[in-house]
Amino acid sequence: TQLLEQSPQFLSIQEGENLTVYCNSSSVFSSLQWYRQEPGEGPVLLVTVVTGGEVKKLKRLTFQFGDARKDSSLHITAAQPGDTGLYLCAGVGDSNYQLIWGAGTKLIIKP
Amino acid sequence: ETGVTQSPTHLIKTRGQQVTLRCSSQSGHNTVSWYQQALGQGPQFIFQYYREEENGRGNFPPRFSGLQFPNYSSELNVNALELDDSALYLCASSVTRGSTDTQYFGPGTRLTVL
Repeated sequence: TQLLEQSPQFLSIQEGENLTVYCNSSSVFSSLQWYRQEPGEGPVLLVTVVTGGEVKKLKRLTFQFGDARKDSSLHITAAQPGDTGLYLCAGVGDSNYQLIWGAGTKLIIKP
Repeated sequence: ETGVTQSPTHLIKTRGQQVTLRCSSQSGHNTVSWYQQALGQGPQFIFQYYREEENGRGNFPPRFSGLQFPNYSSELNVNALELDDSALYLCASSVTRGSTDTQYFGPGTRLTVL
């Protein structure tokens, strides 16, 4: 069974600080996606990483896929209150139609 | 907004009852996936429908069933509701089947089973 573990589960920091969220597995994934979900809404795709070692940037967000394609990280620079939300990672599983999801990191950025 | 709509927004049922949740996919999308998201957890894949046929299923019992219609909208039916079925039910549409395609999520239906 493929599993994705996210850490930390909860993070509350002040505006302007940096943070990193991790998504780890013992399994290899062909690609990995990061989503953000706000209360009362469905998850919204932020980025997909495909190649081992790949780094993608989305404004102040930096996403990295591990060389072995078993882990990924999301780094936010100078966090802002608008970054508040639930961050989820999801990997493309063996079945190729099913996404394997992490439990999420609840992020709160205080002004 | 993603263009994916779900109804109803909230629903309260009692144990043993049956429920039907509805999803309208984004225009041009022929694939709908359903997920269950318990409080504080990530979504769990229930099943996927592609062109009116079930394309794959997660680890959910047969009392979870679905339909996809010719206009690609979809229903999720749950029979004999249990307390643990309380969750946010999400549907997501995509251009075609396969988890590599970008999935666009609806806002979800919050189901409470008492």
